[in-house]
Amino acid sequence: DVKVTQSSRYLVKRTGEKVFLECVQDMDHENMFWYRQDPGLGLRLIYFSYDVKMKEKGDIPEGYSVSREKKERFSLILESASTNQTSMYLCASSLSMTGGEQYFGPGTRLTVT
Amino acid sequence: EDKVVQSPLSLVVHEGDTVTLNCSYEVTNFRSLLWYKQEKKAPTFLFMLTSSGIEKKSGRLSSILDKKELFSILNITATQTGDSAIYLCAVVDFGNEKLTFGTGTRLTIIP
Repeated sequence: DVKVTQSSRYLVKRTGEKVFLECVQDMDHENMFWYRQDPGLGLRLIYFSYDVKMKEKGDIPEGYSVSREKKERFSLILESASTNQTSMYLCASSLSMTGGEQYFGPGTRLTVT
Repeated sequence: EDKVVQSPLSLVVHEGDTVTLNCSYEVTNFRSLLWYKQEKKAPTFLFMLTSSGIEKKSGRLSSILDKKELFSILNITATQTGDSAIYLCAVVDFGNEKLTFGTGTRLTIIP
């Protein structure tokens, strides 16, 4: 079974803090993704990565950065957290050339006060 | 830009009813359409559809794709309270591995 884990289920941070969200997958997947999910807006792609040290902007990259130093780990960084980044953050991974099925982690609910 | 529209946005039915959820899409170079179920946490995979007219079935759930009319439906028969969830539809474009999601349909089953 594919397992995608995220470092925290719930996180509360203050405005202006630097925030790190970690994601680890154990199935040797090439592709990893970070989404945020907000009511009425669905899942929106923030960043994704096809390989180690590679990253691509998704639909809403502003205010975020990512790091992929190892194949199994993909980190999302909020350089200076703001209240409008309060959201559910979901990490996913997939194997290339398989039709696109992604496996999701349990999510991190981030609250910025 | 790829686009996915799901309808209805929400649906409340009684246990035992049959429901049909809709997903229409616009995609530059269609590769596949996926359905996910999301309860309280991570979305879980239901179906992947790549060919028109071929029904995918898993227990009381089934789905079919129409690539000419650019839509898919997800059917759930004899609904149970455990079917209460958000159902997400997403499409994949050839040339990348990204999923473009719809906003989801929130299904509530009343006992």
